[in-house]
Amino acid sequence: QKEVEQNSGPLSVPEGAIASLNCTYSDRGSQSFFWYRQYSGKSPELIMFIYSNGDKEDGRFTAQLNKASQYVSLLIRDSQPSDSATYLCAVSLSGGYNKLIFGAGTRLAVHP
Amino acid sequence: NAGVTQTPKFQVLKTGQSMTLQCAQDMNHNSMYWYRQDPGMGLRLIYYSASEGTTDKGEVPNGYNVSRLNKREFSLRLESAAPSQTSVYFCASNPPVAGGGETQYFGPGTRLLVL
Repeated sequence: QKEVEQNSGPLSVPEGAIASLNCTYSDRGSQSFFWYRQYSGKSPELIMFIYSNGDKEDGRFTAQLNKASQYVSLLIRDSQPSDSATYLCAVSLSGGYNKLIFGAGTRLAVHP
Repeated sequence: NAGVTQTPKFQVLKTGQSMTLQCAQDMNHNSMYWYRQDPGMGLRLIYYSASEGTTDKGEVPNGYNVSRLNKREFSLRLESAAPSQTSVYFCASNPPVAGGGETQYFGPGTRLLVL
């Protein structure tokens, strides 16, 4: 059973701080990794994807990937109350089936 | 360009009733997916369709059937609803481009309550 694990939280950070969200996965053959944000009662929306080891930055967001450790993280700099949401980590299944496995999500709360 | 649309937004069923959840996308995507999301759990794949005319089971297919009517539409049918199928259902699609093709775009969801 291929799995994606996330700490459910809530992760509480003050406004302006860095929020660090982590994810581990079990499928060593996975090649693509995604972070989705989901506000309460809404559908998931893509924040970032990463394919290569290392860091990928997009505005206040940085995704980090370490395939050897089977670890993906998302850093949110200068956290804002509007960043309060559940963050879902998703990993593509190996074998080219174009399917994703999602973690249960980490709830982030940014307080003023 | 509406993206991915789903109907209905909310539905209440009695145990044993049947219904079809509709999904359509106007982005010319090949692949479409049906997920369910339960409290404290991630999205779980029910069925997917890699292209028009093909469908395949996901992680939790029991109690569901699907139809890929054409490239735009992918419906999910509950033949005999059970309380365990109370959930939020999301439809998603992704484009056929490799190296980024797995990026999925989600519809607004259907909240289903089975009594």
